[in-house]
Amino acid sequence: EAGVTQSPTHLIKTRGQQATLRCSPISGHTSVYWYQQALGLGLQFLLWYDEGEERNRGNFPPRFSGRQFPNYSSELNVNALELEDSALYLCASSLASDYGYTFGSGTRLTVV
Amino acid sequence: GEDVEQSLFLSVREGDSSVINCTYTDSSSTYLYWYKQEPGAGLQLLTYIFSNMDMKQDQRLTVLLNKKDKHLSLRIADTQTGDSAIYFCAERTHAGNMLTFGGGTRLMVKP
Repeated sequence: EAGVTQSPTHLIKTRGQQATLRCSPISGHTSVYWYQQALGLGLQFLLWYDEGEERNRGNFPPRFSGRQFPNYSSELNVNALELEDSALYLCASSLASDYGYTFGSGTRLTVV
Repeated sequence: GEDVEQSLFLSVREGDSSVINCTYTDSSSTYLYWYKQEPGAGLQLLTYIFSNMDMKQDQRLTVLLNKKDKHLSLRIADTQTGDSAIYFCAERTHAGNMLTFGGGTRLMVKP
């Protein structure tokens, strides 16, 4: 069974540009979660999508947005990039069950 | 509110036991988890415990839960150099489907 896949693995952008990060969940998983892991700051919850709808979002500005497609894959978009957006962005998927999430390997975004 | 705390760093010798501790504040937690993150990688689910359990054992891993004190621990028996990583505890509450993570404990295993 394929795990959660994220692309690209690395992304370098200039301040003010837009970044698009992609995530494919485990087959059959309907929920996708996005987390930001900035250096020294742990994992901060960004967004939760389930069945194509945004179910919850963390304490991030509106320039962080995303969507979930009918095949349950997801995109995270970050507009007007700032230097402090540099981080590892982790995607996870789950069933609506209680067994935790399965994480992808992440996309490392560097803003210069 | 939800707040999960862990100590930052733990160093042990190969073959010793490691105990990583975690405290949480939300008494409505349903499940508590331990994840492992190796350098440059995502998070790997190690084990989880339901909130009505006190203990769970899985090979070298033992999870202890003290609901009264809101304290969770992960014991790794016979720690190996390959166990060197950052370990995150996380809680899931009735408030939503999201997990709230602690800041992570970096485990260093010396040969």
